[in-house]
Amino acid sequence: DAKTTQPTSMDCAEGRAANLPCNHSTISGNEYVYWYRQIHSQGPQYIIHGLKNNETNEMASLIITEDRKSSTLILPHATLRDTAVYYCIAGPSTQGGSEKLVFGKGTKLTVNP
Amino acid sequence: DTAVSQTPKYLVTQMGNDKSIKCEQNLGHDTMYWYKQDSKKFLKIMFSYNNKELIINETVPNRFSPKSPDKAHLNLHINSLELGDSAVYFCASSPTDGNYGYTFGSGTRLTVV
Repeated sequence: DAKTTQPTSMDCAEGRAANLPCNHSTISGNEYVYWYRQIHSQGPQYIIHGLKNNETNEMASLIITEDRKSSTLILPHATLRDTAVYYCIAGPSTQGGSEKLVFGKGTKLTVNP
Repeated sequence: DTAVSQTPKYLVTQMGNDKSIKCEQNLGHDTMYWYKQDSKKFLKIMFSYNNKELIINETVPNRFSPKSPDKAHLNLHINSLELGDSAVYFCASSPTDGNYGYTFGSGTRLTVV
């Protein structure tokens, strides 16, 4: 699995957009970019994933650069409940085989009132 | 209904004891996983099963034995518990077709004293 690099921590004001960067310069052509988050004492929660195109769902938007070497997760209107550790993972295109999601250290996002 | 449920939520036990953690998913997923999160918050995969067949077995001591009686259940039995086994254990599941992300349980906090 490709390694990813994320800032250790970030702060964001409540109501503002939170933009979380991730570098994955060694991502292979068939690997997806996944984002998960872990709110304190809970299990990780899937947010979004993408291959090449930008993606949006009810939780967030994912912007992937054209060369696929980096991406940004955008939480459009951060709330206090978005305070969590956010993990960016360059991971398998399929599941159920020997592929696995490898979690790094993530970014601790703190949303301030 | 909880999608991925683990029991117990908390487990405190003495060194040398044998204990089991149970996991059940009602999502109809074919693949289930066990992850361990240590005190430094690193999430590491331990095992994965696909349709009751062991697929991934990371470098985990033989004292850890997963068992999958059917594809909706993946239990983790730990023999001769050691202090270093203290951690939060997360169960997860995913579909084999497509890549819709993993769904994690809420974790079992194991404390060995």
